[in-house]
Amino acid sequence: GAGVSQTPSNKVTEKGKYVELRCDPISGHTALYWYRQSLGQGPEFLIYFQGTGAADDSGLPNDRFFAVRPEGSVSTLKIQRTERGDSAVYLCASSPTAGGDYNEQFFGPGTRLTVL
Amino acid sequence: AQKVTQAQTEISVVEKEDVTLDCVYETRDTTYYLFWYKQPPSGELVFLIRRNSFDEQNEISGRYSWNFQKSTSSFNFTITASQVVDSAVYFCALRRRNQGGKLIFGQGTELSVKP
Repeated sequence: GAGVSQTPSNKVTEKGKYVELRCDPISGHTALYWYRQSLGQGPEFLIYFQGTGAADDSGLPNDRFFAVRPEGSVSTLKIQRTERGDSAVYLCASSPTAGGDYNEQFFGPGTRLTVL
Repeated sequence: AQKVTQAQTEISVVEKEDVTLDCVYETRDTTYYLFWYKQPPSGELVFLIRRNSFDEQNEISGRYSWNFQKSTSSFNFTITASQVVDSAVYFCALRRRNQGGKLIFGQGTELSVKP
């Protein structure tokens, strides 16, 4: 079956612009996660959804970042007024449910965002 | 606070050598989960193993083995007879129970296996 897909794979934008990053999780997975990975670092948690609602958005760095998952499947991470420090790889992952003892997260290939 | 430390930033070995990647974690939780992920040059994180805090048995899967020691808060990963295809960045991660699955990653160890 299809894995987690993310589009675009690469996004170059100018400082101050608005960007949207899309994640399509594995079919049937109710939990969806966004992480950000800066060069040479491990992924850092941003937000996760259980169904349509954001269950934990404690990792979003500031109010320029926002994510939605209106129908409980595809999610969009939105970044307003981009800054050069937002440049990173944005990873999406999904799992059958959130938490639980036996739920691994399956990661997508990521979107590499470059803010000039 | 929850934290994962991978002190080895880069390791370089010659093919067929054994190599151990270290992972030390911090948590006050009594129930938690530990993971290892592989990130090859393609960039996609690949799940390798999950270990529950209440299960301290070590595990072997082919050339891979994991040593979990709660007494030292360590979850080390050994590759036996390394191969060039093992070259990747390896991440150790911690997940708290009842925290919705959020993973806390270490900074990663870049393993280079030379022929």
